Amino acid sequence: LAKTTQPISMDSYEGQEVNITCSHNNIATNDYITWYQQFPSQGPRFIIQGYKTKVTNEVASLFIPADRKSSTLSLPRVSLSDTAVYYCLVGDPGAAGNKLTFGGGTRVLVKP
Amino acid sequence: EPEVTQTPSHQVTQMGQEVILRCVPISNHLYFYWYRQILGQKVEFLVSFYNNEISEKSEIFDDQFSVERPDGSNFTLKIRSTKLEDSAMYFCASRETGVTEGYTFGSGTRLTVV
Repeated sequence: LAKTTQPISMDSYEGQEVNITCSHNNIATNDYITWYQQFPSQGPRFIIQGYKTKVTNEVASLFIPADRKSSTLSLPRVSLSDTAVYYCLVGDPGAAGNKLTFGGGTRVLVKP
Repeated sequence: EPEVTQTPSHQVTQMGQEVILRCVPISNHLYFYWYRQILGQKVEFLVSFYNNEISEKSEIFDDQFSVERPDGSNFTLKIRSTKLEDSAMYFCASRETGVTEGYTFGSGTRLTVV
């Protein structure tokens, strides 16, 4: 499984854009990059997934450079309710079983 | 939006007692999982289940643990003789085959062993 490295924590303010970069130097050809969000005492929630270039949905954007050794989750105009832990995971979603291996995540604190 | 439902939301049990945590995965999903998260620690994989059998389990998932899909909708995790260190949030998750939308997690069961 590809190991991921992301910052332990980040602070931001309401209305700002938050960018979280994740390193995954040994990503495999069939691996996708997936981001989850977790609020206290709740299960992780899928945010976005991508393979290369850029993916955007109603919640976030995911930027993946050509070498795919890193990725950046972008949260536009955050609000207080975006305070959570964000996890970057790398794996093959088509693989049988395909367990998720969570790291420590990035704790994002949005301040007023 | 379809949800994974877990019951109970909180369970307190005495050490040595058996507990059963229940989950109702999303109906058209084929893969089912249990994860746990000890307070302040990472989310840890316990077991995956597909086609009515365990497809993978972690070192944590020892003989004290078992899973079952007793009918077409429920997916249960049983801990036979609970220990203090089993206190954690237990999350059930499910997903379809080969899709890219990711897993859907339930809200969890907080298990407290006293």
